[in-house]
Amino acid sequence: DAGVIQSPRHEVTEMGQEVTLRCKPISGHNSLFWYRQTMMRGLELLIYFNNNVPIDDSGMPEDRFSAKMPNASFSTLKIQPSEPRDSAVYFCAVQRTGSNTGELFFGEGSRLTVL
Amino acid sequence: AQSVAQPEDQVNVAEGNPLTVKCTYSVSGNPYLFWYVQYPNRGLQFLLKYITGDNLVKGSYGFEAEFNKSQTSFHLKKPSALVSDSALYFCAVRDGGNDMRFGAGTRLTVKP
Repeated sequence: DAGVIQSPRHEVTEMGQEVTLRCKPISGHNSLFWYRQTMMRGLELLIYFNNNVPIDDSGMPEDRFSAKMPNASFSTLKIQPSEPRDSAVYFCAVQRTGSNTGELFFGEGSRLTVL
Repeated sequence: AQSVAQPEDQVNVAEGNPLTVKCTYSVSGNPYLFWYVQYPNRGLQFLLKYITGDNLVKGSYGFEAEFNKSQTSFHLKKPSALVSDSALYFCAVRDGGNDMRFGAGTRLTVKP
């Protein structure tokens, strides 16, 4: 969806390296979600923000993962240090302002491979 | 916590035949139900949703879904499948809170 821009689209890194994934939603959204998709576990909700504030990070696998949303138009998901089991596609999704029953709009995802 | 189940990993249909992709849900409050489609190397795209009202919901690309409260189901349907419908389909649920939970996905293959 053109409303959510994720970068990088593909990242290959070595175990132990720091990885930063970025998400830029267009305006008009007040909630932002980070999901991880793998063959084994499907789509997992990692964390979500309302009005830039983290609401639920219970899905974050461990302390190696952190997410920030410094403003309404930018969020990052950081993995430090990365491990091979972090290999997955990471999606950012947003929800329109004022609608917590509405659909989410997804970015195209960032495919991470940790060697 | 809310959850959805998609009992079929794979659904195969012939082009022109009707298709059904199954989904059942579990929520403590009123369910808000969604279907998404994912094509290879792409993000999820919204197809349709049920919030309230008519149990038959119509969405994009000729898809529809029927909400059945007694069976806690929200099956996705299309009267006549196209080869281009082949993709991964996800059912999702919200219970009024902010997080959205997805099923494991069903791979639909439509054969010419």
